[in-house]
Amino acid sequence: SQWGEENLQALSIQEGEDVTMNCSYKTYTTVVQWYRQKSGKGPALIILIRSNEREKRSGRLRATLDTSSQSSSLSITGTLATDTAVYFCATDNSAGNKLTFGIGTRVLVRP
Amino acid sequence: EAAVTQSPRSKVAVTGGKVTLSCHQTNNHDYMYWYRQDTGHGLRLIHYSYVADSTEKGDIPDGYKASRPSQENFSLILELASLSQTAVYFCASSDARDNNERLFFGHGTKLSVL
Repeated sequence: SQWGEENLQALSIQEGEDVTMNCSYKTYTTVVQWYRQKSGKGPALIILIRSNEREKRSGRLRATLDTSSQSSSLSITGTLATDTAVYFCATDNSAGNKLTFGIGTRVLVRP
Repeated sequence: EAAVTQSPRSKVAVTGGKVTLSCHQTNNHDYMYWYRQDTGHGLRLIHYSYVADSTEKGDIPDGYKASRPSQENFSLILELASLSQTAVYFCASSDARDNNERLFFGHGTKLSVL
């Protein structure tokens, strides 16, 4: 089955630093979605990138997608303590409306 | 903002007992999903539904049933709860017309089976 996987499991950084996390997947996907989950809450979509895009930006977020290597990355510039969360990538199987989530990357931003 | 409400927020169940987790959405979305979250496994799809009165099996359906009596409501049923079903359960909805396939999640239900 298709799955997404982050290569780094936990990161601890100082506020103001930049952070990048990676995601690799095994089968074709039409889109890579990145979700943020804060403590005690459900995941929320923060950025998505389609298979025909190489880069997508939204504020301090930047997502990249390399379909040849089936990998995506999420970067956050100038991190804030409020960026502390678990970040998941999610992929579909081109059939749509069924996302597969990776294990997640826990990011702790120290004030 | 889309709204997905889960109940209860937490529950303690006994092994072998029946557990029902409920989900209600006010988004007018066609699609609804139940995911399970365990440390080290991310989110895994249990059951989903495209339309009322119909459910589909996800990636880990064993030990779970689902019910979609209306567009707004989607329940997850554990007929015989087991210790291995201790986890946080998330319900989500999405709009069939949304080409981005964005999921809107509830706050989760923490289930402890003792």
